Amino acid sequence: NAGVMQNPRHLVRRRGQEARLRCSPMKGHSHVYWYRQLPEEGLKFMVYLQKENIIDESGMPKERFSAEFPKEGPSILRIQQVVRGDSAAYFCASSPLFGPPDTEAFFGQGTRLTVV
Amino acid sequence: GEDVEQSLFLSVREGDSSVINCTYTDSSSTYLYWYKQEPGAGLQLLTYIFSNMDMKQDQRLTVLLNKKDKHLSLRIADTQTGDSAIYFCAETAKRGGATNKLIFGTGTLLAVQP
Repeated sequence: NAGVMQNPRHLVRRRGQEARLRCSPMKGHSHVYWYRQLPEEGLKFMVYLQKENIIDESGMPKERFSAEFPKEGPSILRIQQVVRGDSAAYFCASSPLFGPPDTEAFFGQGTRLTVV
Repeated sequence: GEDVEQSLFLSVREGDSSVINCTYTDSSSTYLYWYKQEPGAGLQLLTYIFSNMDMKQDQRLTVLLNKKDKHLSLRIADTQTGDSAIYFCAETAKRGGATNKLIFGTGTLLAVQP
């Protein structure tokens, strides 16, 4: 059973382009969390999704950011018209049920986005 | 409010004990966690403690929780060079929208000198 798979591992985008980050949860996991880690900071919650539903997007910036978790395929975090301040590591975590504390959330290795 | 704080850096010698400290502000947190992040990697859950416990021991790891002071610590006995990493404490947030999102501290970089 492969772990949480994120791709790409590294992504470079010019200002104004779109960034698409993918997360394939562990097999059997239907809950996905996205976190952002700015340089030399901790992880900040962005969004919590179940299959085809956004449950909590309280940590998502109001503009340019969107997330989905379709019935088939990976979860996608999309950032439109990227700016330098979007440069960060983006981590995805998945869990089989409600996630912590009831079950452990397993983290992917992250996508490191650099905006030039 | 949601605020978890940690000291930024800790240096120890191999074989010594390491103590990493964390303070949090949300008294309603039910679980508190310690995660380890190695360079270029994701986060690995090391251990967690339920808020009605004072202490939890798991092999070389000991977690102490002082709920009155909202202080959490992680002690690593017989620290090894392989323990060098960034350690994050985190609490769960059971309020507002979804349950179970994690609130992370800023991380403590543990450097183990041979």
